[in-house]
Amino acid sequence: GQNIDQPTEMTATEGAIVQINCTYQTSGFNGLFWYQQHAGEAPTFLSYNVLDGLEEKGRFSSFLSRSKGYSYLLLKELQMKDSASYLCAVMDSNYQLIWGAGTKLIIKP
Amino acid sequence: GAVVSQHPSRVICKSGTSVKIECRSLDFQATTMFWYRQFPKKSLMLMATSNEGSKATYEQGVEKDKFLINHASLTLSTLTVTSAHPEDSSFYICSAVGAGTADAYEQYFGPGTRLTVT
Repeated sequence: GQNIDQPTEMTATEGAIVQINCTYQTSGFNGLFWYQQHAGEAPTFLSYNVLDGLEEKGRFSSFLSRSKGYSYLLLKELQMKDSASYLCAVMDSNYQLIWGAGTKLIIKP
Repeated sequence: GAVVSQHPSRVICKSGTSVKIECRSLDFQATTMFWYRQFPKKSLMLMATSNEGSKATYEQGVEKDKFLINHASLTLSTLTVTSAHPEDSSFYICSAVGAGTADAYEQYFGPGTRLTVT
């Protein structure tokens, strides 16, 4: 079966750095996405990785290792507005997104 | 660019009635649209995939006669929840993929529709 695993909840301090991990087992691989979702809102796109390595975009970076079936989202200089759920999703061989359950990130002052 | 709208944003209906939700791609042509539902504190659940001009492909366990999907044009897909019941209350989100977007595989999400069936 297809499976995406990520922690249910994480807590971090404003101004700090947090890393949210995602491991996956899917039928084929056509890229991995990270989305941010605030409560009651639709997800918003953060990053897309299809090759191994680190993609940096401002305060957010995403890393991928296809051989390990592993990705992480790194958030730097945390702000209170970063409190949200972070969803990891993998595009399988049929170009469908397989979603993780999301990681709820709580930022404390 | 790549904006997707949904209408309505919130709807309350009585049990037994039908509700139509519209999903529009505003500045690109969506060759494929996806419909998701999301229960509180749960991840997105794909309901169906629709391609313009053809029948939608429903995920296992999703009743096609209850959740009618129409993708009549490259910018509009509709989801009709027929004979709605309280257990259909959920957050319904559409997304679209198409030519002209920054990444042809990236899904752009609508803002979602909160359906409450009383």
